[in-house]
Amino acid sequence: EAQVTQNPRYLITVTGKKLTVTCSQNMNHEYMSWYRQDPGLGLRQIYYSMNVEVTDKGDVPEGYKVSRKEKRNFPLILESPSPNQTSLYFCASSRRQGENTEAFFGQGTRLTVV
Amino acid sequence: GENVEQHPSTLSVQEGDSAVIKCTYSDSASNYFPWYKQELGKRPQLIIDIRSNVGEKKDQRIAVTLNKTAKHFSLHITETQPEDSAVYFCAANLKGEWTSYDKVIFGPGTSLSVIP
Repeated sequence: EAQVTQNPRYLITVTGKKLTVTCSQNMNHEYMSWYRQDPGLGLRQIYYSMNVEVTDKGDVPEGYKVSRKEKRNFPLILESPSPNQTSLYFCASSRRQGENTEAFFGQGTRLTVV
Repeated sequence: GENVEQHPSTLSVQEGDSAVIKCTYSDSASNYFPWYKQELGKRPQLIIDIRSNVGEKKDQRIAVTLNKTAKHFSLHITETQPEDSAVYFCAANLKGEWTSYDKVIFGPGTSLSVIP
């Protein structure tokens, strides 16, 4: 089954404790991205990756890091989480963004930083 | 910067009535306009998209119209049903100036409630 898998689904952590949210896709998609969803603000892109070892900042990259060592995986790293990073996070992948194709989203990760 | 605006933010309709959600975009080079539906507690999923070479596209009860001159596009849902209740996001691509890759920018979303 074609899918994008994120883990964990829910996470409560304390300020400053490094965490990683994993994202994996099995569709051999080139393009992957991370979004955060906050009430009234929609989906805002954090980082995106056009292919292995190619990443770039989205609209709200501060406080986040990513890596793309393999085509299927695109982890989101919060080196020192802060309460303003409490949000719902979605990973997404698409075949090739330049061709304007459907984005497939993961199930979401609800992060609370206290 | 480039953005996508979406109105209304909330919409309530009676079952069987039509619902219309409108979006505007700022990048005149945008040529791809998808719509995503997000049911409560679930992930966004594509329901319909339109490219700039057409003005309208239909898929059963949903349709999207595009006015490139005015830089706005709309989602129309006819004969609404309770299962249409969800948050709907419009989006538009930003053409990459230095790369062949586009970014997709989402609108803030419309929460649609269909009252039985």
